Amino acid sequence: QQPVQSPQAVILREGEDAVINCSSSKALYSVHWYRQKHGEAPVFLMILLKGGEQKGHEKISASFNEKKQQSSLYLTASQLSYSGTYFCGTGGGGADGLTFGKGTHLIIQP
Amino acid sequence: EAGVAQSPRYKIIEKRQSVAFWCNPISGHATLYWYQQILGQGPKLLIQFQNNGVVDDSQLPKDRFSAERLKGVDSTLKIQPAKLEDSAVYLCASSLGGGGRAFFGQGTRLTVV
Repeated sequence: QQPVQSPQAVILREGEDAVINCSSSKALYSVHWYRQKHGEAPVFLMILLKGGEQKGHEKISASFNEKKQQSSLYLTASQLSYSGTYFCGTGGGGADGLTFGKGTHLIIQP
Repeated sequence: EAGVAQSPRYKIIEKRQSVAFWCNPISGHATLYWYQQILGQGPKLLIQFQNNGVVDDSQLPKDRFSAERLKGVDSTLKIQPAKLEDSAVYLCASSLGGGGRAFFGQGTRLTVV
């Protein structure tokens, strides 16, 4: 079942913070976050595994709440380069392929 | 390190024609995925290979789509015959093992007219 992402789109000024949410109706084993710029391939940001803690990557971090079957991606002090579409991909366990949400469009303005 | 290679980058065909896409994964990656990404949506998994065996093809429209991964390396995805709704970007991805970090290729943008 496809995870639900919110918001669908967000427009920020450079330096502002953003939170992107991803929720699933089924139990999750892992959550993967990717960013895709127009016309390009999705680029990996991070994986959160069941039982894992919050992860960080420069000014981008994420959390995974297994009980609520939710994950959130946090972008702090956003930069112009953060613009793009963010996808969460959820894995049900083991060697499963990912089921991606519809994406959140992030636009950072100078 | 070389990334995932796909060809062609673009393809325009008429409906009912056939088309094939090729993917060369990162060396040593046992798992290969084909995703379909329709404009404005997230990638949808079509098929997953582990070496040269199929792990999951539950969302592959098998009446018109086929895929193979000979010798556990390169893979080909074929559509025959194509429909208008097959217009999409077809992404190939690979990972060391199933469920791990996936590396995506640039994709093939297919337009069916």
